[in-house]
Amino acid sequence: KAGVTQTPRYLIKTRGQQVTLSCSPISGHRSVSWYQQTPGQGLQFLFEYFSETQRNKGNFPGRFSGRQFSNSRSEMNVSTLELGDSALYLCASEKRQGSSYEQYFGPGTRLTVT
Amino acid sequence: QKEVEQNSGPLSVPEGAIASLNCTYSDRGSQSFFWYRQYSGKSPELIMSIYSNGDKEDGRFTAQLNKASQYVSLLIRDSQPSDSATYLCAVNSRDDKIIFGKGTRLHILP
Repeated sequence: KAGVTQTPRYLIKTRGQQVTLSCSPISGHRSVSWYQQTPGQGLQFLFEYFSETQRNKGNFPGRFSGRQFSNSRSEMNVSTLELGDSALYLCASEKRQGSSYEQYFGPGTRLTVT
Repeated sequence: QKEVEQNSGPLSVPEGAIASLNCTYSDRGSQSFFWYRQYSGKSPELIMSIYSNGDKEDGRFTAQLNKASQYVSLLIRDSQPSDSATYLCAVNSRDDKIIFGKGTRLHILP
């Protein structure tokens, strides 16, 4: 079974630009969550998508947005990049069935903003 | 008050001993609790989830939950050098957002 894939793996952008990151979940998983990980703040929840609908959103500014497609692939977009947006962006593929919960993280996209 | 608190460590434990990792949380309405392991340079990996008070065992791992005291712990028996990693505690808050602690670095001494 293929794992979670994220593209690109590394990205360098300059302040003010925008960026789009992609995540393909495990086949059969309809839920995708996005997280930002930095040394200072740790792992922080960005948003969760299920069946093309945003189900939950973390405390990030509106510059951070996302969407999910009918094949469960998800994208997140950050507009008007700031230096503080430099981080590892992780997506997680999730499946809930009764009391069973599966979650697998992708390898992440390392974003550097200069 | 931080929502999910963990001692950052490092916690050094001799090989073969029991490693005990602790986590406290502030939201009394939290219903789901998770432990993740993250090796340096790798993504987090979900290793345990627990939803009700008491103990839950999975191999060498035991998760313990005490909702009245608002703490969750993870015990690793027969610690191995391969258990050296950062362990993240996460709590699903009442508004269904997963809040992570900053993690405890565990070092198993050969």
